[in-house]
Amino acid sequence: DADVTQTPRNRITKTGKRIMLECSQTKGHDRMYWYRQDPGLGLRLIYYSFDVKDINKGEISDGYSVSRQAQAKFSLSLESAIPNQTALYFCATSDRDTGYTFGSGTRLTVV
Amino acid sequence: AQSVTQLDSQVPVFEEAPVELRCNYSSSVSVYLFWYVQYPNQGLQLLLKYLSGSTLVESINGFEAEFNKSQTSFHLRKPSVHISDTAEYFCAVSRSNTGKLIFGQGTTLQVKP
Repeated sequence: DADVTQTPRNRITKTGKRIMLECSQTKGHDRMYWYRQDPGLGLRLIYYSFDVKDINKGEISDGYSVSRQAQAKFSLSLESAIPNQTALYFCATSDRDTGYTFGSGTRLTVV
Repeated sequence: AQSVTQLDSQVPVFEEAPVELRCNYSSSVSVYLFWYVQYPNQGLQLLLKYLSGSTLVESINGFEAEFNKSQTSFHLRKPSVHISDTAEYFCAVSRSNTGKLIFGQGTTLQVKP
């Protein structure tokens, strides 16, 4: 099993729908992140969590929310999806010894 | 605030030729620097990182990068590329080994036969 697992891998949804992207990890890391990747823009930080009780907004948090259900689980929600949220979404974890580990990504298309 | 600029969005190069992917950063504090690689339809993999010590860091597959504090650069180089090096490369900066990563825009390396 992958160290950082994202589900679903691909999703097509309609404008206005609520959607949740899930991330689970077996690394035992306290720190978890959600990034989105857009062509020509690189990866931008949406939200991050340094432990279960600590959640912080990143540079592009508008239109998104997160939930840290446990040390191993960090979910990203789009309350009302819009087309410009079409992107590749990455979950990541980190710790002092091993640095960052990225999931394989979720490709989201909003039509 | 920190930022990262990758000066080239695409770099086409022939197989066995040398390549340099440029990265400049801005920060008012000391930073750690990273290069990540993303092969087609895959996630990100760490290629190499500079945390402290020697300014020249190397990866296991022949890439190297040099931290230049005076020029605020961390360019990635390889003396001879292979077709399999075709990928997108991201430069990133962080205030620690575990903190928020700030990414550049990415450079697509296209290696031609």
